[in-house]
Amino acid sequence: NAGVTQTPKFRVLKTGQSMTLLCAQDMNHEYMYWYRQDPGMGLRLIHYSVGEGTTAKGEVPDGYNVSRLKKQNFLLGLESAAPSQTSVYFCASSYVPGQDYGYTFGSGTRLTVV
Amino acid sequence: GDSVTQMEGPVTLSEEAFLTINCTYTATGYPSLFWYVQYPGEGLQLLLKATKADDKGSNKGFEATYRKETTSFHLEKGSVQVSDSAVYFCAFAKWGNQGGKLIFGQGTELSVKP
Repeated sequence: NAGVTQTPKFRVLKTGQSMTLLCAQDMNHEYMYWYRQDPGMGLRLIHYSVGEGTTAKGEVPDGYNVSRLKKQNFLLGLESAAPSQTSVYFCASSYVPGQDYGYTFGSGTRLTVV
Repeated sequence: GDSVTQMEGPVTLSEEAFLTINCTYTATGYPSLFWYVQYPGEGLQLLLKATKADDKGSNKGFEATYRKETTSFHLEKGSVQVSDSAVYFCAFAKWGNQGGKLIFGQGTELSVKP
């Protein structure tokens, strides 16, 4: 099983450019999440989705948009990239949770905005 | 508000030393608790979990006990190896009107020297 696949793995953008990060999962998970990881700040939730066609804001949603048109895919968009968005981005997915669910994570996308 | 506090790193130990990484949380109710591990250049992997008070999660020689009275979930290992060098994240599951998500601590970097 592929699990959670993120593309691309690395990207360098110029300030003001746009891009889309793709997350794909093959586990039929309902929930999907986008996090960013910055030194000393742990993981911060950007947006998440509780099912196909739904999205919700997380802790740091400004400057990002998301879409969940298909259950297996969760797209994260940057419309006008800024240096403050330089980070490592992780996608994760999970089943409709019970009391003991956990996430499956992708391997990350390292984004540099210059 | 809801949060997770972990002991600050980096933690540097010699091989075969005893490891403790402290984790305390602030949350309503009694959430499920998790430890994730991130090896260099990879995404996060679930290490262990506990779903109710006094439960002990264990995996790969690591253990953590859900302490309701102290709202803690400290990670321990009796004898660390060089291969345990990684960043460790404590987390709990939070539920709301828009579904569930994990709240992460800032991570603790562990470096084990031969």
